[in-house]
Amino acid sequence: QQPVQSPQAVILREGEDAVINCSSSKALYSVHWYRQKHGEAPVFLMILLKGGEQKGHEKISASFNEKKQQSSLYLTASQLSYSGTYFCGTEISSNTGKLIFGQGTTLQVKP
Amino acid sequence: GAVVSQHPSRVICKSGTSVKIECRSLDFQATTMFWYRQFPKKSLMLMATSNEGSKATYEQGVEKDKFLINHASLTLSTLTVTSAHPEDSSFYICSARASIIPGNEQFFGPGTRLTVL
Repeated sequence: QQPVQSPQAVILREGEDAVINCSSSKALYSVHWYRQKHGEAPVFLMILLKGGEQKGHEKISASFNEKKQQSSLYLTASQLSYSGTYFCGTEISSNTGKLIFGQGTTLQVKP
Repeated sequence: GAVVSQHPSRVICKSGTSVKIECRSLDFQATTMFWYRQFPKKSLMLMATSNEGSKATYEQGVEKDKFLINHASLTLSTLTVTSAHPEDSSFYICSARASIIPGNEQFFGPGTRLTVL
């Protein structure tokens, strides 16, 4: 049931773009994206609800294709602060709040 | 955003002892709290869902007698690791959900690192 994230790791130079994908074998109600720095708790980035919406926050945006059971996180003009491990959390049943997290994608942004 | 605290942030204990971890929502009422476990460089694994005033719902493979969860109020949930052993050493993180509004985000606590000697 665990969603699959790709790639597992990516290294960027400052200013470059990246895409992180999250695929599920189950129909999804929502997808939640988090970023976690080493030794810290995950920090919420955004939620995408069933309906195929796309959201954006400054240079970080995401899309959700419910038919394909996939979500993608787009990082544009990456900054050093973007480094960390990105997790997608998928909610299968509506309104339970229960999230199953992918294995994570480690992003390293170099100067 | 809403704040969730955890206490203690770090605990070292001897094998066979029990350890209690508290998770508090500081500025909102959490109808549901979740407990996760994370091993180094691994994903967050959901252990259980905790609803105020009712028994926790445990995920498959999680021993409910080993990991006791109590959700005494709308702002406090506790996880007690009973008779801890070295294999229980891990990073335990709680999250809290403010309401039943669909799509409502979960706020994570800072985590508790448990080391069992």
